Parts: sequence; C-alpha cells; structure tokens
Amino acid sequence: NAGVTQTPKFQVLKTGQSMTLQCAQDMNHEYMSWYRQDPGMGLRLIHYSVGAGITDQGEVPNGYNVSRSTTEDFPLRLLSAAPSQTSVYFCASTGGGEQFFGPGTRLTVL
Amino acid sequence: GQSLEQPSEVTAVEGAIVQINCTYQTSGFYGLSWYQQHDGGAPTFLSYNALDGLEETGRFSSFLSRSDSYGYLLLQELQMKDSASYFCAVSGAGNMLTFGGGTRLMVKP
Repeated sequence: NAGVTQTPKFQVLKTGQSMTLQCAQDMNHEYMSWYRQDPGMGLRLIHYSVGAGITDQGEVPNGYNVSRSTTEDFPLRLLSAAPSQTSVYFCASTGGGEQFFGPGTRLTVL
Repeated sequence: GQSLEQPSEVTAVEGAIVQINCTYQTSGFYGLSWYQQHDGGAPTFLSYNALDGLEETGRFSSFLSRSDSYGYLLLQELQMKDSASYFCAVSGAGNMLTFGGGTRLMVKP
C-alpha cells in the first residue's frame, strides 16, 4: 500500500514552460486535492475532485488545470509557468475523515 | 469565505505541556482537524473534531467548541521530536479543507 505518490520530487522550469505534476493513490479514495505551500505559510487549495470525472476550483486555481479520468490519478497541469508559481505542491486524498498527503513536489520557476 | 487564526510560534521545554489555539470564521463547518509537519516533510494527520469536546490520542488531545468557533491542540510530555509546525484546518462544504497559517513549535531541552 503506497498511499499517495507524487512525481517528480523536484523540478526547475523556465517562465512560460508547461508541465504536469503527477499524483496517484491506491486507497480507492474518491476525494483528492492539490495544495501549494509557500515558505513559512499554510497550505492553499488549488483544485479538488470528489470523484472520477468531477473537478472543481479551490482558493487559488488560476494558472492550473486538473483532470480526473480515474479514481487513482489526479494530475495537475501548469499551463504557462510563472515565477509566482514557485512553491511546494502537495497532493492529498481523503478517506475516513483524514487527509493523506503525498511527499510533495518542489517547483522552482526561473 | 473561511479564515483561521493560530499563533505563529510557540516555545516550550521538554516534558512540558503546550496548547496551540485556533479560532476560525467559516460559512460552512463540518469539523476541525490538526496536522503536523516537520521541516521538509509532508503534513500528517493528528486529529479531527466534528463535535464539541475533547478527543485524546496518546500524548496529543484536541478540543472543539463550535459555539465559540474555537479549538486547541494539547501536547503533553513534550519531546524534542515534537518540534514541528502544527496546522489547524476547517472542513467545509464539499470536503474542502481550509488551513491556518501554522504554528511553529520549538521544543528546547
């Protein structure tokens, strides 16, 4: 049981590049979400999904897209990276009232 | 919208008891949860309160008062490994979690 996995662990992008952060969970949870965490701050919700085929915006969705074609996978796409998107990104899945977080992706946009 | 307030830093000594408070304003409320995050790591779940009262899990306890929009995390018999950031989070409509800014706990020998 791997829990929540994320790839890559580290990524450096140039302004304007696009990329996809991968997230997968093997706990059969319906609810998944993406957060960003800036240094010394709390987590802010980017997008979330309550099940396959259903996604919705969180607090800070601009510049990001998500899709949920399967229960297991919930990728986050940066459309055109900007320095303001430099952050640590956490994917999470929720089950039994508890959120399980992946190890995070540390993204730097130059 | 939702907002949460918690102290930015708390310092305590090994073996002591520390309480981290959290007040919240929310348009929809299902419960208050607490997460621990060590530097460079991912948040890990500590506790969840949906009803008023105290929930105890080992050295950690969490309290909720819905009428006061207030909760706290109580850590007993502090250990050096408890040095971390602690976040309260409110569960709202659609299972959305809104996090507070975090409290950095430093445990000194």
